[in-house]
Amino acid sequence: DAKTTQPNSMESNEEEPVHLPCNHSTISGTDYIHWYRQLPSQGPEYVIHGLTSNVNNRMASLAIAEDRKSSTLILHRATLRDAAVYYCILILTGTASKLTFGTGTRLQVTL
Amino acid sequence: NAGVTQTPKFRILKIGQSMTLQCTQDMNHNYMYWYRQDPGMGLKLIYYSVGAGITDKGEVPNGYNVSRSTTEDFPLRLELAAPSQTSVYFCASSYSTTGGNSPLHFGNGTRLTVT
Repeated sequence: DAKTTQPNSMESNEEEPVHLPCNHSTISGTDYIHWYRQLPSQGPEYVIHGLTSNVNNRMASLAIAEDRKSSTLILHRATLRDAAVYYCILILTGTASKLTFGTGTRLQVTL
Repeated sequence: NAGVTQTPKFRILKIGQSMTLQCTQDMNHNYMYWYRQDPGMGLKLIYYSVGAGITDKGEVPNGYNVSRSTTEDFPLRLELAAPSQTSVYFCASSYSTTGGNSPLHFGNGTRLTVT
């Protein structure tokens, strides 16, 4: 099964960019890379996803390595409201039973 | 558009009691999932459904049952509650995962304590 590896925690100052890394060295060619975040006492929230090309949306940017074995979630200007646990997961084509989440990266944002 | 709605938000059960956690979505998604999250841990898949009438086991199905009689609803049943089932339960839905190009939408969870 393709798995992801993320640092347990990261810290950032408010209004600075944050780069959250994710390694997925066993990714398959048709696996999409998804990022979710979970604020305290809430369900996970979709952030962004991509396949091969870098992606941008109103929340963040996703940079995918050329070999697709790693990706980076970029928050351009962290705010206190971005403090959350960020999960990087692979959506395996046709295998809904494999949709599990690891422990993610806990992002702390300070003034 | 309410998204994914879970009820109740909180529940305390005694050992051996049973209950049903409700989940409904109004996005016409065909895929639905149940996860549990223990303190400080990630989410583990309990059951999932790819459409009405079709369900299958995930990573940790023991002690749970599900049904999917409509597209909108995906209830999770605990028959004989045990302390090991103390957790936060999240329901999610997506349009499809066959291509991996569909985001998951989560409810806000049900916090269950079994004593």
